[in-house]
Formats: sequence, C-alpha cells, structure tokens
Amino acid sequence: QSVLTQPPSVSGAPGQRVTISCTGSSSNIGAGYDVHWYQQLPGTAPKLLIYGNTNRPSGVPDRFSGSKSGTSASLAITGLQAEDETDYYCQSYDISLSIWVFGGGTKLTVL
Amino acid sequence: EVQLLESGGGLVQPGGSLRLSCAASGFTFSNYAMSWVRQAPGKGLELVSGISGSGDMTHYADSVKGRFTISRDYSKNTVFLQMNSLRAEDTAVYYCAKQDTLTGYPWSGWGQGTLVTVSS
Repeated sequence: QSVLTQPPSVSGAPGQRVTISCTGSSSNIGAGYDVHWYQQLPGTAPKLLIYGNTNRPSGVPDRFSGSKSGTSASLAITGLQAEDETDYYCQSYDISLSIWVFGGGTKLTVL
Repeated sequence: EVQLLESGGGLVQPGGSLRLSCAASGFTFSNYAMSWVRQAPGKGLELVSGISGSGDMTHYADSVKGRFTISRDYSKNTVFLQMNSLRAEDTAVYYCAKQDTLTGYPWSGWGQGTLVTVSS
C-alpha cells in the first residue's frame, strides 16, 4: 500500500491528452511538500520528468506538465505519442514517516 | 555528465550479507545527498536509504532499519549500502540516485541498477 495513490493504468489514443493523478494526505502533498514525477521505460532506470510540482528539466518536451492542488498532484501529457507508453511515478516527502515516498506507479497505454 | 555505476549485486542466501557500491562521477560528490532506491520484480519504487552530502545525516525505510547501513567515501566518490540479514523480500534491482538541489530536491541522476536476489 503506497503512501501516494496513483491509478494503476491509464490509456489514450495518439494525439490525445491524458492525466495521471497522485493523491496524498496532509502529511505529504497537503503539507506543502513538492511533488516530482519520473518516467521509467522498460528495463531502465527512472528518469526525472517534472520537479517541484510544475518544472521540466531541460530536454523534457513541453507536452509534459505538472500541477498540484491541496493533497493531490497531476501529470498531464498532451499530444500522446507511442513512445510515451511506459510507467510513471510520483514522489513527495512525508513528514510523518520522515522519508521520501513514491506512488505505486501508473502504466500508460497508447491505444 | 553525471554517471553513477552500481556494483555488488548478486545471489545470496536468506540471512546473508551483501555490500553494494555506487561510483559517482561528473559532479562535485560532496555537494549532493545520495540515495539507494529499490524496485522488486514487477513492483514500484521504494526509497531504501539516503545520506546527506556531508555524510552526517542518514535515513532508512522502516523495512530495512537495523539491517542496512549507508555510507560514503569521499576519496573514492563512492556510496555504499551494507545489507545484512537479507530476506527474500529484499530481492530487487537497487538503484543509486543523486538528489539534486533543484526545487524540492528531486532525484536527477540514476545509475543503471544492480540486481540483488535473496534465495536459497
């Protein structure tokens, strides 16, 4: 049971927009801690996709965007491409556990 | 370019020990906190342990407290994870990760991972 809750899977057609939610609580996202998002291609290490809720590292396409409100955060992907089909994880800090925590991950399928 | 190269994984019997190493290059090692993150087969990511840039602060997941120890050697730019009393549930790919100083301190650099299998 992950501290941050993500949907196990989402899907969308090429060119469409999808969102992946990350729901936390008052001891993590709701306490004001930043949310980061990682993309993990099969058999590879995670890659930082969004940091500090809304910021993209250099090299990440602007099709990817992040937002945060209350105890939740979201990753939005517009103009879906086949290469976006992989796993996505959210991360934040939990003050009650005193450790960084991840969501359970969401598998994105491009139909 | 940030490079993190893990080593030391392998097959070990329950109750055994392993020491993982992560050789870092491409950045000023002492300026950054480092972490070990694991991923069990078919599962999600779990932060196992972290150590501050100065080495004076460490933290551990409850699942490994008292069994795992993180440390760092500044002369070798290397982070270690000593794993004792290993259990089947410790089986995972272990990634070394660099915690950046960007907003919110995300993990911006990752190694390729090393597989630890605990089995008799």
